[in-house]
Amino acid sequence: GNSVTQMEGPVTLSEEAFLTINCTYTATGYPSLFWYVQYPGEGLQLLLKATKADDKGSNKGFEATYRKETTSFHLEKGSVQVSDSAVYFCALIPRETSGSRLTFGEGTQLTVNP
Amino acid sequence: KAGVTQTPRYLIKTRGQQVTLSCSPISGHRSVSWYQQTPGQGLQFLFEYFSETQRNKGNFPGRFSGRQFSNSRSEMNVSTLELGDSALYLCASSATGGRTEAFFGQGTRLTVV
Repeated sequence: GNSVTQMEGPVTLSEEAFLTINCTYTATGYPSLFWYVQYPGEGLQLLLKATKADDKGSNKGFEATYRKETTSFHLEKGSVQVSDSAVYFCALIPRETSGSRLTFGEGTQLTVNP
Repeated sequence: KAGVTQTPRYLIKTRGQQVTLSCSPISGHRSVSWYQQTPGQGLQFLFEYFSETQRNKGNFPGRFSGRQFSNSRSEMNVSTLELGDSALYLCASSATGGRTEAFFGQGTRLTVV
């Protein structure tokens, strides 16, 4: 079946530190890959996406590259801010699906201290 | 453009009761999906509706049901509530379904006592 595995959290960083959150997936073919972010008390917001191998998604200083050879989609940011504190979810939609059903990873809690 | 609207934001119900949650998707979007979020199980897919038809269904008991109206608004119903149904229920809309991005509402926090 399809699955997403994220690095265990929580992650605590100081402001301006470099961020990496690992995400690997299991799926047949080439799924579409997404990163969503959830701020306290809120729903999920799409952060970035990639739909084919070697695609790089980017938004608000965050980046992730679709790596087919390692089935990974790691999230990175060069310099985090306190406002980046949130829970981050990696997700996929399989290529063969006729719908928009997302399979999510466990989520990674990020806390950025001033 | 208005986002996805879920009502109510908070609900407290007693075991054995039933509950109906509502979701209004982004104007023009025809696909609505529902997810349950709990600390223990994370985000789990409930079902997806597209043009008033259920297109996908997750692994939840029959107590969980949904429907979509001709204006794309959707409701989900949970009957005979159990303590374990306490969760954040999230609705997501997308333009056509398929592998396009989904936009989420703020969710309905259901507490079963």
